[in-house]
Amino acid sequence: DTGVSQDPRHKITKRGQNVTFRCDPISEHNRLYWYRQTLGQGPEFLTYFQNEAQLEKSRLLSDRFSAERPKGSFSTLEIQRTEQGDSAMYLCASSLGLAGVGGTGELFFGEGSRLTVL
Amino acid sequence: QKEVEQDPGPLSVPEGAIVSLNCTYSNSAFQYFMWYRQYSRKGPELLMYTYSSGNKEDGRFTAQVDKSSKYISLFIRDSQPSDSATYLCAMRFKAAGNKLTFGGGTRVLVKP
Repeated sequence: DTGVSQDPRHKITKRGQNVTFRCDPISEHNRLYWYRQTLGQGPEFLTYFQNEAQLEKSRLLSDRFSAERPKGSFSTLEIQRTEQGDSAMYLCASSLGLAGVGGTGELFFGEGSRLTVL
Repeated sequence: QKEVEQDPGPLSVPEGAIVSLNCTYSNSAFQYFMWYRQYSRKGPELLMYTYSSGNKEDGRFTAQVDKSSKYISLFIRDSQPSDSATYLCAMRFKAAGNKLTFGGGTRVLVKP
């Protein structure tokens, strides 16, 4: 399967613990995005990378959140000192850059990593 | 007020009916418009992609964009129980790094 993969699919943690999610994008995609989705809501943008550079961060991304894409391939999203309000689905997506060859720049999403903070 | 508004539903229709979904938005700078389908506990998958105003048809799906009214629609003809899902509209600016702004989603239930 060459789609976007995320790990773990579900994480249950206690408040105050740190958690890390991993995303492996489609191999030829140079852009990678993180979104957060709570129950009954649409996905909300958190941050995105072009290759290894983090180009934009939402104000939703507090200082407890950090994302990396060290070699322009996979990415990690770490949440420190988790709070119950962090409980959500964390979605990763990837795309070719704007007007990439044969591409419309559309985002392809993974299955998501569901976080439950007790 | 959210940038993109979408009725949460649920919208319940009998099998074979036409499903009509819509979104309104406030920022006239949005240029690209998309519809995603999301099954329970799965990631969104792209259904339709349109640029600026106009109509686009793909099989049973038709997407319409009316930029003058800041209104987009998705129609599903001959609906099937497998179409039961949450439908998300999304849009982005012309030069925004492909970053999407989503509506809240409409839950659709097609009854056999």
